Amino acid sequence: SQKIEQNSEALNIQEGKTATLTCNYTNYSPAYLQWYRQDPGRGPVFLLLIRENEKEKRKERLKVTFDTTLKQSLFHITASQPADSATYLCALEDSSASKIIFGSGTRLSIRP
Amino acid sequence: NAGVMQNPRHLVRRRGQEARLRCSPMKGHSHVYWYRQLPEEGLKFMVYLQKENIIDESGMPKERFSAEFPKEGPSILRIQQVVRGDSAAYFCASSPRRGDEQFFGPGTRLTVL
Repeated sequence: SQKIEQNSEALNIQEGKTATLTCNYTNYSPAYLQWYRQDPGRGPVFLLLIRENEKEKRKERLKVTFDTTLKQSLFHITASQPADSATYLCALEDSSASKIIFGSGTRLSIRP
Repeated sequence: NAGVMQNPRHLVRRRGQEARLRCSPMKGHSHVYWYRQLPEEGLKFMVYLQKENIIDESGMPKERFSAEFPKEGPSILRIQQVVRGDSAAYFCASSPRRGDEQFFGPGTRLTVL
């Protein structure tokens, strides 16, 4: 069965730096991959979707890459701010194409 | 436009009781997904429904759990004879089409005493 791994449970960086989060997957080639943000006590909020034929996608300070050879997606937040502190989840369509499955998330903390 | 609504937001049950969790998808969305999240863990898929049909229930425990999405009214996740291990946050999400971004509700936090 397919597996998703997010690089670390927690990441702490200085305000203004670029935060880079990693999502690796195995045993499957999804048609797309999504990134969500989750704040404590709340439901996840969709951020970006990138398809297998897209190498990179940007939205304001966010950038996502999708390397189907490495089976990896990188999620970047440039000029990070304390308000960016949250848990970030990657998700991909599973092999049955009937649902998406989520990674366990990376908790990002931006210190002033 | 109202987002995905879930109620109740908090539910306390004693062992052996039944829990009913409701989810009203966004207007125009006919695809509903249920997830369970334990503290400090990721979202675990439970079931995917499209009006009146269960499309994928591979994440649902075989016993005590059921879900429905009737033609009229909200989607219901039902847990019979709850046990302490059922305590978790249950999130519902909806989308207009399969594969689209999912819009999540605020969740129902179930506590089993």
